[in-house]
Amino acid sequence: EPEVTQTPSHQVTQMGQEVILRCVPISNHLYFYWYRQILGQKVEFLVSFYNNEISEKSEIFDDQFSVERPDGSNFTLKIRSTKLEDSAMYFCASIGARGQETQYFGPGTRLLVL
Amino acid sequence: AQSVTQLGSHVSVSEGALVLLRCNYSSSVPPYLFWYVQYPNQGLQLLLKYTTGATLVKGINGFEAEFKKSETSFHLTKPSAHMSDAAEYFCAVSVGNAGNNRKLIWGLGTSLAVNP
Repeated sequence: EPEVTQTPSHQVTQMGQEVILRCVPISNHLYFYWYRQILGQKVEFLVSFYNNEISEKSEIFDDQFSVERPDGSNFTLKIRSTKLEDSAMYFCASIGARGQETQYFGPGTRLLVL
Repeated sequence: AQSVTQLGSHVSVSEGALVLLRCNYSSSVPPYLFWYVQYPNQGLQLLLKYTTGATLVKGINGFEAEFKKSETSFHLTKPSAHMSDAAEYFCAVSVGNAGNNRKLIWGLGTSLAVNP
């Protein structure tokens, strides 16, 4: 069964460094999402992406964040200058087509900013 | 604004006992409701969903949930717990415009422990 994959599974970085989290959505999916979950807190929506542009972004998704679909398969989340409070589990999700409601999630990337 | 409340951050049941995980939502429009499960060190897996139609929905692994509009609830149940059901369970509501620009608003999650 097709699945969403994410790499790396874990990443440790120093505050101020740039990180890129990678996701490979299910191959024929069209709508893409990033969520994050800070330890002990709710899963939070970050951004949605369709047709090579951002559809919606949350207040969390400030200028330090960007998303890209560089090659038609990968979907990346970049944090330009990480902060301690960016430490979280980051989930990628995708939906296949208009009218479908189920978001399929990857296993997540656990980011630790020191 | 839409929101989701899961009552009980930790629930413990005995193997074979009824599982009841509570979820209440707030939504100004008819909601799409979801339950996801997260097993240790794994991603979020869809258990079941309600969009329209029958209010009692059945999902994987013997779970079901009933959408009750009057109570704004979408509680998750399973008649008989199994040790393999131990996991984190998340209730979520899908909000947005028609089409697929729909983000999920999540509850805090309920950790289910199953005792032998």
